[in-house]
Amino acid sequence: QQQVKQSPQSLIVQKGGISIINCAYENTAFDYFPWYQQFPGKGPALLIAIRPDVSEKKEGRFTISFNKSAKQFSLHIMDSQPGDSATYFCAAQSGGAQKLVFGQGTRLTINP
Amino acid sequence: GAGVSQSPSNKVTEKGKDVELRCDPISGHTALYWYRQSLGQGLEFLIYFQGNSAPDKSGLPSDRFSAERTGGSVSTLTIQRTQQEDSAVYLCASSLRIQGKETQYFGPGTRLLVL
Repeated sequence: QQQVKQSPQSLIVQKGGISIINCAYENTAFDYFPWYQQFPGKGPALLIAIRPDVSEKKEGRFTISFNKSAKQFSLHIMDSQPGDSATYFCAAQSGGAQKLVFGQGTRLTINP
Repeated sequence: GAGVSQSPSNKVTEKGKDVELRCDPISGHTALYWYRQSLGQGLEFLIYFQGNSAPDKSGLPSDRFSAERTGGSVSTLTIQRTQQEDSAVYLCASSLRIQGKETQYFGPGTRLLVL
């Protein structure tokens, strides 16, 4: 019940296209859903995050869509650029447990 | 700016040796995490320190792994009698919870290779 399932494992998108990464969870106590971006040789860094009281959050080209009833959330990268090529992790956290639970990661490649 | 730092950045050791990995968190951050990331894999939670509370050790894979956090700041992850399957990147993160939201700031990791 503590798992967060992420898909796809890898994704190739053409420059200018839309990249979509999906995550699903079971624990309804989760109340904070961040996405992390990791470049090779670096640690993950917070990209964008959402709380379940809203269905969408947009920051520049990055948007999180959240479906509370389906217990799913997704990251959309609009106008994908080669510089977006990285591994993306979704995560979830419940107020009581504090510990972030990470998805398995998606390796995104944007072809020029 | 002072982010999370880890040392060494790379460590090569022989099977059976002990290793110590160090993490210097961001000053003032009360929480500190250790994760393991195998090549091309996700983040495997190892251990979590929060203030003066007892650490959450639920992710440690065996009793060869231990960690301590001295004075609520620097942390050391120790792996005893290393095995080849311990080869991975060990990531440390620190965080500060504000209004129920927690952002974890990761260090660059220590790349451990056990020969």
